[in-house]
Parts: sequence; structure tokens; C-alpha cells
Amino acid sequence: EVQLVESGGGLVQPGGSLRLSCAASGFTVSSNYMSWVRQAPGKGLEWVSVIYSGGSTYYADSVKGRFTISRDNSKNTLYLQMNSLRAEDTAVYYCARAGYWGQGTLVTVSS
Amino acid sequence: QLVLTQSPSASASLGASVKLTCTLSSGHSSYAIAWHQQQPEKGPRYLMKLNSDGSHSKGDGIPDRFSGSSSGAERYLTISSLQSEDEADYYCQTWGTGIEFGGGTKLTVL
Repeated sequence: EVQLVESGGGLVQPGGSLRLSCAASGFTVSSNYMSWVRQAPGKGLEWVSVIYSGGSTYYADSVKGRFTISRDNSKNTLYLQMNSLRAEDTAVYYCARAGYWGQGTLVTVSS
Repeated sequence: QLVLTQSPSASASLGASVKLTCTLSSGHSSYAIAWHQQQPEKGPRYLMKLNSDGSHSKGDGIPDRFSGSSSGAERYLTISSLQSEDEADYYCQTWGTGIEFGGGTKLTVL
């Protein structure tokens, strides 16, 4: 059974950093494209970043230069390192692969 | 530029059918999309991948009441025999360099 379990969200001050994790089971992270998608309160889904099986990475313009997507094949886990956080980064962050979504983790950026 | 356009809202009666539309921007009519459902206060759920020829593959446990079809740059999600739990936001999504989402359609079941 495919499962995606996010963790690492929380309250952080503007300018701060957080690292989100997405532990995968039932499939191999490195063999699939994996993405992070966020949803600000009351808003729609917004793609954040993707890492393809070959290792190529892409970012939304809104996070480029501040966020880094990566994976640890030995842990079968996807990560999102978020630096220089802004109030507008406040959202539920979801990990996703083709056909499956995690339950999300809430990131709140506020002083 | 790859853009997906959805109507903000739709409504239909309990037991009826509804057809939601997602329109691909000019020059992208051959693109496949995916449909996702998000019920109130829940995370998104993958419904199906829909190809330009109308063929589609549904996610695990998605009822037969959900089907997809295509015409040109339009991609459709049809829900038949509407149930109260179908009241949700529906998002289409496609793949370019990154991933693009439509703005979502809020479906109200009357």
C-alpha cells in the first residue's frame, strides 16, 4: 500500500527556516517523480517543486532560490528545505506522487 | 504559457449528473491532465489521469460514477448519480516543466 507521511511543519518567524520530510512506503521514491504542493488558507492548490526520477528539479517562481527539494534514497524520504520564509509561505504543504497525496503538514510563518 | 482554466463554481442536484470542464491554454491541446478532489477540511484525493484522446485511468477505489472525456483543449470530469459526499473542490492539473494546477471548481450538491 502506498503511503506518504509528511512531517516537520510548525510555526516559524519570517526569515526563518524549516525542513519538511515526506516518508514514503509501498514504492520507491527514487523511481518516481515526487512533488510538493501547498495550499494557503482558503486558497487553491499551488505547485511548489518537483524532483524527477533522474534527479532533475524544478521550482515555482515564488520559491525559487529559497526552497530546495531533495530525496534520501536510503530512507525512501523526500525533503523540502525552506529558507528565508515569508508570511505568504503560510500554507498546508502536501507531498505527492502520481496517484497519491500525503495528509499535509501546516507551516505558519508569523512573528 | 501553459495555463489551465476552470469555472469557479458549479451546482447540480442530488442524484443528477454534472460535467466539470478544464480548458488547456492555446498550443497545449495534446496535454494529458489529472483530476483531483478535495472534500471540505480534507486533503486532495487523486481521481484520474485523462489523456487527450479521452482515455483515462482512475485512482484506487474511485467509483465508476466518476468518468473523464476530452474534446480538443477541453478536459471533462463527469460525475453521475451525485451524492452529498461529492460536494467538494475539483482541481485539474497538468505537467509542463513543472506542474500546473487549475484554479479549481467548487461543486455544490443541491
